[in-house]
Amino acid sequence: EAGVVQSPRYKIIEKKQPVAFWCNPISGHNTLYWYRQNLGQGPELLIRYENEEAVDDSQLPKDRFSAERLKGVDSTLKIQPAELGDSAVYLCASSYAGGSDSYEQYFGPGTRLTVT
Amino acid sequence: AQSVTQLGSHVSVSEGALVLLRCNYSSSVPPYLFWYVQYPNQGLQLLLKYTTGATLVKGINGFEAEFKKSETSFHLTKPSAHMSDAAEYFCAVSDLIEEYGNKLVFGAGTILRVKS
Repeated sequence: EAGVVQSPRYKIIEKKQPVAFWCNPISGHNTLYWYRQNLGQGPELLIRYENEEAVDDSQLPKDRFSAERLKGVDSTLKIQPAELGDSAVYLCASSYAGGSDSYEQYFGPGTRLTVT
Repeated sequence: AQSVTQLGSHVSVSEGALVLLRCNYSSSVPPYLFWYVQYPNQGLQLLLKYTTGATLVKGINGFEAEFKKSETSFHLTKPSAHMSDAAEYFCAVSDLIEEYGNKLVFGAGTILRVKS
């Protein structure tokens, strides 16, 4: 079974430019998460989707960040415009609702963003 | 609010020696606790979890952890370190398992180095 797929793996942009990250969760997983991991720190949740609905976006900086999950499958996270402080690894995770393992989150490899 | 403290950002052990990675948490309700491992340029992989029941939980690759409520701890151990255990380890807590997933709060991580 394929895991969580993210692209691109690496991205270097200049500040004030836009950038987008894509995530394809594990098939059948209806909950999708975006995390940001700064250097030397643990991941921090940005947004959580249940199917198409964003149920927790309290940590998403809405002035420059946006996300969507069309049709409840793939998701895109966008930053516009990017700032130097946005340099980090952006992780996508998914989980399956139902059964005893509904709380287990499966992570993708992440997208490493460098803003210059 | 939940929080996780991992004591020691770097731990170094010799191959074959005991591995002990410390994790203390803060939660207002009975917590769900997790340990994840992250290898370079990869996503996080679940090692083990505690939800309810037996306080000593066993995970993959010979790791185990014990939930101690009185000490608010969930330390990770492995009797004999292997070179392949070198990675970064994250402790995480969740105080709510909703029908569609949960919010994880991660510690800052501990980098484990294994010396030959």
